[in-house]
Amino acid sequence: DAKTTQPTSMDCAEGRAANLPCNHSTISGNEYVYWYRQIHSQGPQYIIHGLKNNETNEMASLIITEDRKSSTLILPHATLRDTAVYYCIVVLYNQGGKLIFGQGTELSVKP
Amino acid sequence: GAVVSQHPSRVICKSGTSVKIECRSLDFQATTMFWYRQFPKQSLMLMATSNEGSKATYEQGVEKDKFLINHASLTLSTLTVTSAHPEDSSFYICRMGWSGGAHEQFFGPGTRLTVL
Repeated sequence: DAKTTQPTSMDCAEGRAANLPCNHSTISGNEYVYWYRQIHSQGPQYIIHGLKNNETNEMASLIITEDRKSSTLILPHATLRDTAVYYCIVVLYNQGGKLIFGQGTELSVKP
Repeated sequence: GAVVSQHPSRVICKSGTSVKIECRSLDFQATTMFWYRQFPKQSLMLMATSNEGSKATYEQGVEKDKFLINHASLTLSTLTVTSAHPEDSSFYICRMGWSGGAHEQFFGPGTRLTVL
């Protein structure tokens, strides 16, 4: 069973920041938050992960609330190629292979 | 990131035939391998996992005699759908890695299976 809750869909204007929320109110202290995305008919692509601190890489930023019950994935300047389904997953580090996917958020970036 | 390939990318077969899907790691040795399937408009569902030297462990509801998984080597895993039926039509995705961290395991591009 998925342990995260995400909105079903979101729209974002090209060039604007896309902020994708995720609720994980039952997260345990040693579970990580991972974000993946899946462009239509492709394998999922890893985006970013974090435990407690906010994280940033070349693709996105991850903001985790202090109580760790929710997080937000930020795509700073969304492009049309960022249109995809975004999955937020919580998982123990040493069980990272056994990802359980929820329904994700379908992000549509519009010109 | 590391590169994982799948072959074929898409396959169409007749009902009752068997189909083999290969998953290869191109630039690393994978000690853990996973197979997922995804029906249209649905999320990915984990089918089975296998670790080096062990038989595959199947998720509840996945028939191990129908979906044969072979962890042939540290760079190759195969999924054989035996006696395929139209309800097996799906997108099959492998994942390979060498460590426990999810970011250290990589998805293949997927195989679209259509059973007529």
